[in-house]
Amino acid sequence: QKEVEQNSGPLSVPEGAIASLNCTYSDRGSQSFFWYRQYSGKSPELIMFIYSNGDKEDGRFTAQLNKASQYVSLLIRDSQPSDSATYLCAVSNKIIFGKGTRLHILP
Amino acid sequence: GAGVSQSPSNKVTEKGKDVELRCDPISGHTALYWYRQRLGQGLEFLIYFQGNSAPDKSGLPSDRFSAERTGESVSTLTIQRTQQEDSAVYLCASAQSRGYEQYFGPGTRLTVT
Repeated sequence: QKEVEQNSGPLSVPEGAIASLNCTYSDRGSQSFFWYRQYSGKSPELIMFIYSNGDKEDGRFTAQLNKASQYVSLLIRDSQPSDSATYLCAVSNKIIFGKGTRLHILP
Repeated sequence: GAGVSQSPSNKVTEKGKDVELRCDPISGHTALYWYRQRLGQGLEFLIYFQGNSAPDKSGLPSDRFSAERTGESVSTLTIQRTQQEDSAVYLCASAQSRGYEQYFGPGTRLTVT
């Protein structure tokens, strides 16, 4: 089992809808979890980080963490074309990044 | 404040030459990471520095790759005898400490001809 797994996509979501991105991890001892957004040809930029079970909201973004099930997800409400990018999940105990999910918002 | 900076932004070199890539982390960040990203691929961890501790070199793909960091300042990644498969974007990131969020530089695009 890979240490951090994400569906590579592309995930196509209509503009205005909710985009849901998921990530599973294998190390039960992981303590910190991050979501990065990477536009084509650019470097990753931090969107959210979460340390505790439950939800964390920031504007249109919500990160959800379930340590018992070893998954972390990112919800993007009211999706915009500018949200089209690759989203990387990172689990920080062992500096592991997922391969990323390509998100395409359909105008 | 200033973010992570990297230089050069682009580097074209001939196969067999050595190259040196530079990273200036955010001031006060004790953790510094190097990654490689090939076209259309994910991030590949190379090496990690934390303060004055011994670096984690577990991601370096061969002994042609090495990196140095003096204290909590600038880091250089050196690739000796470059090969075409070394062509990629090399990204540097810094963090307050291990386990904290990382902030990425703009990357150095290396092309080996």
